[in-house]
Amino acid sequence: QSALTQPPSASGSPGQSVAISCTGTSSDVGGYNYVSWYQQHPGKAPKLMIYEVTKRPSGVPDRFSASKSGNTASLTVSGLQAEDEADYYCSSFAGTNKFAVFGGGTKLTVL
Amino acid sequence: QVQLQESDPGLVKPSETLSLTCTVSGGSMRSYYWSWIRQPPGKGLEWIGYITYSGTTEYIPSLMSRATISIDTSKNQFSLRLISVTAADAAVYYCARGVFGAYCDSWGQGTLVTVSS
Repeated sequence: QSALTQPPSASGSPGQSVAISCTGTSSDVGGYNYVSWYQQHPGKAPKLMIYEVTKRPSGVPDRFSASKSGNTASLTVSGLQAEDEADYYCSSFAGTNKFAVFGGGTKLTVL
Repeated sequence: QVQLQESDPGLVKPSETLSLTCTVSGGSMRSYYWSWIRQPPGKGLEWIGYITYSGTTEYIPSLMSRATISIDTSKNQFSLRLISVTAADAAVYYCARGVFGAYCDSWGQGTLVTVSS
């Protein structure tokens, strides 16, 4: 049972946009502006795509954007490309544990 | 650009101790939270804990009694020791560079730990 709730799957056709949600509580997502998103291709390490709710690390395409409202965060991938097909994990700082908790992951399929 | 590389413990027997070391290169160890995160096969991520440059540690409550993270700044390494392993500890273990315990901006490639007699 993951601390944050994500849909198990999402899909879209090339060029389309898809949004992935991440629902937590006021103790994590809703309580801190430290939501992050990771992309993980099969057999690879996770890659940080978004940090502090909306910020993109250098090198991450601006097709990836994110937001937060209350206890729910969202990652949007615009202009879907084949290489975007991967698992996506959300994460949020949860002060009680003094480090972040993760969602269960969403498998994004590019049709 | 910082790089992290985990050691490869391979197979660990039940009830024995898992020991992993992460070597950091290309960056300073100061100001970051050096973390261990694991991922059981086909499952999600779990942050095990972290250690700071000064040696402060935090652990996930469920592993607090079994996990120890240490750091050797002279060698640019940090380590995880997990005692009394069971099949539930089988996972890919990642070392990562944490920022305030909030997110990890650099990851090792991961090492698969199998628990079997």
